[in-house]
Amino acid sequence: EAQVTQNPRYLITVTGKKLTVTCSQNMNHEYMSWYRQDPGLGLRQIYYSMNVEVTDKGDVPEGYKVSRKEKRNFPLILESPSPNQTSLYFCASLAGDRDTQYFGPGTRLTVL
Amino acid sequence: QKEVEQNSGPLSVPEGAIASLNCTYSDRGSQSFFWYRQYSGKSPELIMFIYSNGDKEDGRFTAQLNKASQYVSLLIRDSQPSDSATYLCAVNRSGATNKLIFGTGTLLAIQP
Repeated sequence: EAQVTQNPRYLITVTGKKLTVTCSQNMNHEYMSWYRQDPGLGLRQIYYSMNVEVTDKGDVPEGYKVSRKEKRNFPLILESPSPNQTSLYFCASLAGDRDTQYFGPGTRLTVL
Repeated sequence: QKEVEQNSGPLSVPEGAIASLNCTYSDRGSQSFFWYRQYSGKSPELIMFIYSNGDKEDGRFTAQLNKASQYVSLLIRDSQPSDSATYLCAVNRSGATNKLIFGTGTLLAIQP
């Protein structure tokens, strides 16, 4: 089954404690992306990757890092989380130009 | 001005009626337009995409695009209670076909 998986699905942490949210896709897609979703602000892109070792900032990259060492994986790293990063995070992938974005199930992060 | 604007709703529609969801966008160079449905706490799922002016029909759903007016809409015929969800409009940034900008979504409530 074609899918995008994220882990963990729920996470409560404290300010400053480094964390990683994993994302994996089994569709051999080149393009992957991370979004955060906040009430009243909608889905906003954090980072995206066009292929292995190729990443770029989205609209709200501050406080986040990503890496793309393998085609299937695109982890999101919060080096020093802060309460304003409390949000619902989605990973997405698509095969190429104009293709459908497949979203992961989401990770609800709370930073205390 | 937001890049993609939607009325937040809620839009209340009787069961069996036509639901009409609207979206305007600011980037005249945008070429790809998407409608996603998102149930509460779940990830967005693609309903329709449209690239050319006019109408595109898929089952009970019709997407309408008017590039001159920078307007895209989604019609849902014979609305069912299961259509109750938030509908997200997404538009690509000109020159970046993989980079989607999402509206904040319209909450649709189908009344039995």
